[in-house]
Amino acid sequence: DGGITQSPKYLFRKEGQNVTLSCEQNLNHDAMYWYRQDPGQGLRLIYYSQIVNDFQKGDIAEGYSVSREKKESFPLTVTSAQKNPTAFYLCASRDRPYSNQPQHFGDGTRLSIL
Amino acid sequence: GNSVTQMEGPVTLSEEAFLTINCTYTATGYPSLFWYVQYPGEGLQLLLKATKADDKGSNKGFEATYRKETTSFHLEKGSVQVSDSAVYFCALSVPVGNFNKFYFGSGTKLNVKP
Repeated sequence: DGGITQSPKYLFRKEGQNVTLSCEQNLNHDAMYWYRQDPGQGLRLIYYSQIVNDFQKGDIAEGYSVSREKKESFPLTVTSAQKNPTAFYLCASRDRPYSNQPQHFGDGTRLSIL
Repeated sequence: GNSVTQMEGPVTLSEEAFLTINCTYTATGYPSLFWYVQYPGEGLQLLLKATKADDKGSNKGFEATYRKETTSFHLEKGSVQVSDSAVYFCALSVPVGNFNKFYFGSGTKLNVKP
């Protein structure tokens, strides 16, 4: 079955530590996205990538970094500069950046501070 | 600007009751509209979509009609089940700069009691 795999499901970060969240898709989609979800709020866009080796900042990129070295992979690093990282992180993909098709989502990673 | 407004929850219904979750939007251009569902601890799953005015999206007994004149996309189901308990997100997709960006509502939690 095609889909998006996020790992780990739960992650804990110590003060001053960088952590990396994995996102892999086998849907052959060009575009990939990272969102942050906080309780009672909608999804906020962190970063997006429309093609391999290219990515753009979303609405809340400060304290985060990404890479897109392979079409199927779009890892997110939460750096120590992100002072409030506790949240549920969702990765999504879409067939093409300008498509009117829906985004497909992974099952998320819940990040907490130790 | 672009935004999505959903009715606040939680919405609590008895099994077999009629469900309506209101969603209105503001958008530049002609958006595509979506409803997603999120079960606890999981990512978002596409429930239904509509890509142009007067389109009706439907899936698993849920329906929503793209109403351009009222800028609305209300979700309805004739008879809810306990298994429908989840958080429902209304979303729109519209061209912004060099890609089609998604905007999500804040979500409406539905509790269905037996």
